[in-house]
Amino acid sequence: ILNVEQSPQSLHVQEGDSTNFTCSFPSSNFYALHWYRWETAKSPEALFVMTLNGDEKKKGRISATLNTKEGYSYLYIKGSQPEDSATYLCAFGAAGNKLTFGGGTRVLVKP
Amino acid sequence: GAVVSQHPSWVICKSGTSVKIECRSLDFQATTMFWYRQFPKQSLMLMATSNEGSKATYEQGVEKDKFLINHASLTLSTLTVTSAHPEDSSFYICSALGLAGGGETQYFGPGTRLLVL
Repeated sequence: ILNVEQSPQSLHVQEGDSTNFTCSFPSSNFYALHWYRWETAKSPEALFVMTLNGDEKKKGRISATLNTKEGYSYLYIKGSQPEDSATYLCAFGAAGNKLTFGGGTRVLVKP
Repeated sequence: GAVVSQHPSWVICKSGTSVKIECRSLDFQATTMFWYRQFPKQSLMLMATSNEGSKATYEQGVEKDKFLINHASLTLSTLTVTSAHPEDSSFYICSALGLAGGGETQYFGPGTRLLVL
């Protein structure tokens, strides 16, 4: 059983502040690392697919880094806004495009 | 683009009945779809991989006779929970494999909440 862990489980951020959180995953048999944003009552939204060690990806104020050798990825939110409030999921991609999800980090941005 | 719909969004049924959940890719074709479930306070767990025109591949511990999957077209996969029991109450969510910047990714539906009484 693959172990994909996210920390913290939840965090509160003041509007305008920047924040980051972690996803750790097995460093062997790596195919891809996926990040999703999941707002309540909506579909999880694909943010990033990362495949190479050292990858950095950016989408607006959200960015992610990848370290496959040590098995972790960081997601950063710069200048948090209330609309960034969501659960952020990471998923370890294995052969056959199978995903193993972490438990998620629930972000609440307070005005 | 890359929208996946799921129907119904929630269902309540009596124990012993069967429930069918539909997953559709609305603006792209998906040869591969996936079914997950999530119990309270747990992660999304992969149940099975659904390939168009062939039998689904089930993860260890998932009963294929209980969770029937049909992927009859490139835009539709269905999951039928047969003879549902209260322990099958869960959140079921599907995804469809599509292309995204940097590689393939899964596009998710909004999920179906099942309550078996």
